[in-house]
Amino acid sequence: QSALTQPPSVSGAPGQRVTISCTGSSSNIGAGYDVHWYQQLPGTGTAPKLLIYDNTNRPSGVPERFSGSKSGTSASLAITGLQAGDEAYYYCQSYDSTLSGYVFGTGTKVTVL
Amino acid sequence: QLQLQESGPGLVKPSETLSLTCVVSGGSISSRSVYWGWIRQPPGKGLEWIGNIYYSGITNYNPSLKSRVTVSIDTSKGQFSLKLSSVTAADTAVYYCARLTVTPRPWGVYFDHWGQGTLVTVSS
Repeated sequence: QSALTQPPSVSGAPGQRVTISCTGSSSNIGAGYDVHWYQQLPGTGTAPKLLIYDNTNRPSGVPERFSGSKSGTSASLAITGLQAGDEAYYYCQSYDSTLSGYVFGTGTKVTVL
Repeated sequence: QLQLQESGPGLVKPSETLSLTCVVSGGSISSRSVYWGWIRQPPGKGLEWIGNIYYSGITNYNPSLKSRVTVSIDTSKGQFSLKLSSVTAADTAVYYCARLTVTPRPWGVYFDHWGQGTLVTVSS
């Protein structure tokens, strides 16, 4: 059981906005540790790609359609203007002081209807 | 452009030791502001951090795997390695090597460059 819980799936029509939650606890997100997000496109062995770092920052090349936020013991990833190419798995990541290590969320599959 | 490439056996027998190497190119493995690490993903499942190492050799391991894991680094060759002992079928996964960028924040680390991954199957 992961320390960070995400909904198994979210879906939306092209152009719509979807949000993915990452729910933690007082030993990770609630303790103030930063949250980062990754996108893993479909296909066996496709490596994850950093999407958001330090809660809200986008690496160079990541579209502004992707945004992150954090509040209390949770974080969220929002995708606006949903596109077919956004179909992927998305994972949050942080540090957990109880587990003494870096943890990933359970993962969310985004489907574009 | 930084690139990481994993290599190693794709099949390991139960109770034996899994060994993988990651070659870093297009950047310095001795950078002071990064770690180098390993992550795995069992088929159809999520990501699990295994451990990481600093250029100086300082390591940090997932407590759930710590008794079986060794990560080492060879800065002269620009590569780092993973050894996982006493493997079982539960260790079957795609193994990724990655660069971890360190931030000024407490335990602030994110995985910003990944290798393509290599599937390791544990089976007799």
